[in-house]
Amino acid sequence: DTAVSQTPKYLVTQMGNDKSIKCEQNLGHDTMYWYKQDSKKFLKIMFSYNNKELIINETVPNRFSPKSPDKAHLNLHINSLELGDSAVYFCASSQDSGNQETQYFGPGTRLLVL
Amino acid sequence: KNEVEQSPQNLTAQEGEFITINCSYSVGISALHWLQQHPGGGIVSLFMLSSGKKKHGRLIATINIQEKHSSLHITASHPRDSAVYICAVSGSARQLTFGSGTQLTVLP
Repeated sequence: DTAVSQTPKYLVTQMGNDKSIKCEQNLGHDTMYWYKQDSKKFLKIMFSYNNKELIINETVPNRFSPKSPDKAHLNLHINSLELGDSAVYFCASSQDSGNQETQYFGPGTRLLVL
Repeated sequence: KNEVEQSPQNLTAQEGEFITINCSYSVGISALHWLQQHPGGGIVSLFMLSSGKKKHGRLIATINIQEKHSSLHITASHPRDSAVYICAVSGSARQLTFGSGTQLTVLP
């Protein structure tokens, strides 16, 4: 069974479109995260949710909006896609939002904006 | 300057060699994480440590809190160890702050 799953795995779209990436974890974890990995493979936090509530919102454009319908799901919606949004987006989860919790990563969603 | 620095950026080794990857950080942390990113892109957590040393199979991770430094060692390296190894730290802000990764290639 996949612990943290993301869909879709690949996403190719045109500039200006709106798209969503879905994330689900079956680990019973309380906290979920979205990370962005750029073309140089550098990872950076975007958002973190704990029990459906936003606890971290790094400086990302407000075109990115996370939505957590329940604590097992954290979806990422992106409006008006731009070329610079092309990246790999990873979802992750941990038991709680404490500082010493192992994070479990999804397989990543490769987004290409043309 | 990044808060988390890794060295080397790239490392090529022969099968069987002992490998060391270093990580230095400049902020207060509650834990340091070593992650492995496979050639296919998936990320796996290898270790999380806040003091001392941890061992799992051929992998050993150490941390020196006073010197703000950690090392990841691989003994008897194998081509299947080829991957990107990423150091990350977690602090009071809860999220992970990542180093830029070390691309390891182990040749048969």
